Amino acid sequence: GQQVMQIPQYQHVQEGEDFTTYCNSSTTLSNIQWYKQRPGGHPVFLIQLVKSGEVKKQKRLTFQFGEAKKNSSLHITATQTTDVGTYFCAGPDGNTGKLIFGQGTTLQVKP
Amino acid sequence: DTGVSQDPRHKITKRGQNVTFRCDPISEHNRLYWYRQTLGQGPEFLTYFQNEAQLEKSRLLSDRFSAERPKGSFSTLEIQRTEQGDSAMYLCASSPQGMTGELFFGEGSRLTVL
Repeated sequence: GQQVMQIPQYQHVQEGEDFTTYCNSSTTLSNIQWYKQRPGGHPVFLIQLVKSGEVKKQKRLTFQFGEAKKNSSLHITATQTTDVGTYFCAGPDGNTGKLIFGQGTTLQVKP
Repeated sequence: DTGVSQDPRHKITKRGQNVTFRCDPISEHNRLYWYRQTLGQGPEFLTYFQNEAQLEKSRLLSDRFSAERPKGSFSTLEIQRTEQGDSAMYLCASSPQGMTGELFFGEGSRLTVL
């Protein structure tokens, strides 16, 4: 079945450093979504990318969808302690549309 | 609060007991999803509904798991004869009909099976 994989699993950075997480799907995706889950919280939607090669920015966060629509990345510039949490990418199953999540990248930021 | 609500937030039970979780989605959302999440993992799809119709159930789910959405509003997830491996966070999410985008998650129901 369709798989969505993320690397790295964990990342520890010093406040002010940049951070990137990568997402790869075993199949071509119609869209890719990103969610953030704070410690002890629930996943919260960040953004959806639809077009091949699309790049979207939200303040210090930059999201990119690959040309082949099988991979994506999230880059955070100058991390802050408020960025702490686990970032998940998710893509719809081609047959049913159900959302398949990656295993997430957990970001720790040292002040 | 008009978000997705789940009840109970925490449930501790003994192995072999039955448990039931309830999810109330955002009122205008026709799609309702159940996911399971264990520590260090992403949400794992269990099942989803379009109105009252259960459209898909994960092959990972044993027949001890059943979900209903009788009137197309709230949903229940029942686990019969619980096992220690069922310990997890059970997340409910909803989305508007026809939208393949954003899922709105509830706070989750944490199950601990002793």
